[in-house]
Amino acid sequence: NAGVTQTPKFQVLKTGQSMTLQCAQDMNHEYMSWYRQDPGMGLRLIHYSVGAGITDQGEVPNGYNVSRSTTEDFPLRLLSAAPSQTSVYFCASSLHGTDAYEQYFGPGTRLTVT
Amino acid sequence: AQSVTQLDSHVSVSEGTPVLLRCNYSSSYSPSLFWYVQHPNKGLQLLLKYTSAATLVKGINGFEAEFKKSETSFHLTKPSAHMSDAAEYFCVVSVGSGYALNFGKGTSLLVTP
Repeated sequence: NAGVTQTPKFQVLKTGQSMTLQCAQDMNHEYMSWYRQDPGMGLRLIHYSVGAGITDQGEVPNGYNVSRSTTEDFPLRLLSAAPSQTSVYFCASSLHGTDAYEQYFGPGTRLTVT
Repeated sequence: AQSVTQLDSHVSVSEGTPVLLRCNYSSSYSPSLFWYVQHPNKGLQLLLKYTSAATLVKGINGFEAEFKKSETSFHLTKPSAHMSDAAEYFCVVSVGSGYALNFGKGTSLLVTP
């Protein structure tokens, strides 16, 4: 199993550009989520999905869109990048939700918006 | 709302000495609590989890944590630090819906020779 994979590893965008961060898992996990990590802030939930076709907002959803057309993939779209979105982005998955279930994290995408 | 507070942003220990990373939680009911570790430029890895079974939880790499309801604490300990333990540690609580995690701000552990 590859686990949770994320692409790209690094990305530099100009303000106003759009892009999609890719996330895939091969463990047949029902639950997938996106977090952003900023210095001194821990990780904050952006969006999550409890299955194909079902998504919901987390703590910091503004400026981001998600969709889940398959169990394996959960892309994160930045519609119009802003410097405040400079961060490290982690995708995670688990069998079911967050109660009692280990989250498997991808290696992260480091995004810089200039 | 469920939340956690990590009481130290940085902890420094000598190799071979005990490690104590402190975490207090806030929850209106019995929470699911976790400790995750992040080595430099890596993703996060689960160390251990508490889910209302035994209050003393053993994890990987010799770490353990004790859930103390009376003190609302879930401190992480290890008897003897290794150089490879140097990393960022996050105390985490599952939000009541079961679909989100709240992370503490992290404790950076430095291990000196």
